[in-house]
Amino acid sequence: DAGVTQSPTHLIKTRGQQVTLRCSPKSGHDTVSWYQQALGQGPQFIFQYYEEEERQRGNFPDRFSGHQFPNYSSELNVNALLLGDSALYLCASSFLAGGNTGELFFGEGSRLTVL
Amino acid sequence: GNSVTQMEGPVTLSEEAFLTINCTYTATGYPSLFWYVQYPGEGLQLLLKATKADDKGSNKGFEATYRKETTSFHLEKGSVQVSDSAVYFCALASAGGTSYGKLTFGQGTILTVHP
Repeated sequence: DAGVTQSPTHLIKTRGQQVTLRCSPKSGHDTVSWYQQALGQGPQFIFQYYEEEERQRGNFPDRFSGHQFPNYSSELNVNALLLGDSALYLCASSFLAGGNTGELFFGEGSRLTVL
Repeated sequence: GNSVTQMEGPVTLSEEAFLTINCTYTATGYPSLFWYVQYPGEGLQLLLKATKADDKGSNKGFEATYRKETTSFHLEKGSVQVSDSAVYFCALASAGGTSYGKLTFGQGTILTVHP
C-alpha cells in the first residue's frame, strides 16, 4: 500500500518563476493538506483540499494556490517566486469522510530552492 | 491564534537515559494534541495523540499527558535507544470537522542518542 508520494523531490528555480508541486495521497484518503517547512522550523499550514475545494487556508499570500483532482491527488502552485519561498513543501493526507481520527500521513516532501 | 512552544534543542542523551521534551500551547477551546516524529530521510509520522484533558497518549515507549491546567503536553520516555534519534514536533489542532488537517506545529526538537 503506497503512502503519500510527492514529486519532484528536489528542484531549483529563480526569482519570479512559477513552480508546481504534486502529491498523491495515501490509498483510500480523500483530503490533502499542504505545509511549508523552512530550515530548522516546524511545518506551517498552507491550505487543505477536500472534495476538490479549498476548505481551510493558512496565512499565505495568493501567490500560493492549489488544486485537487477527482482522484484526490493535488497540486500546489507558487507564482512569482521569492527567495523566502525556499523550503521543504510537505503534503499530508487523511480520510475525512470516514471519521476524523486526527492523524495525518505525510510525504517526504519537495525541496524547493529559489536563487 | 493557536501556537505551540517546544523546549530549545538539540537534546543529546546516552542510550537508556530518561527523555523529556517540553511542549506548551496556546489555543482557544479544547484542541487535540499530537507528537509527530521525523526520522532521518523519512516523512513526518504520528507518534502519539490525546484528544481531551487528562488523556495520556502512548506509543513505542513514549508517553505524553494532556494537561489543560498547565496547557502542556510534555513527551517522555523512560529509556531511549539510538534508534530514537530524530526530530520531534509537538502539534495541535482545533477540535472537530475538517480542522484536523490544519495542524499548528512547534519548531521541533532534535534528539541525538549515543550508544
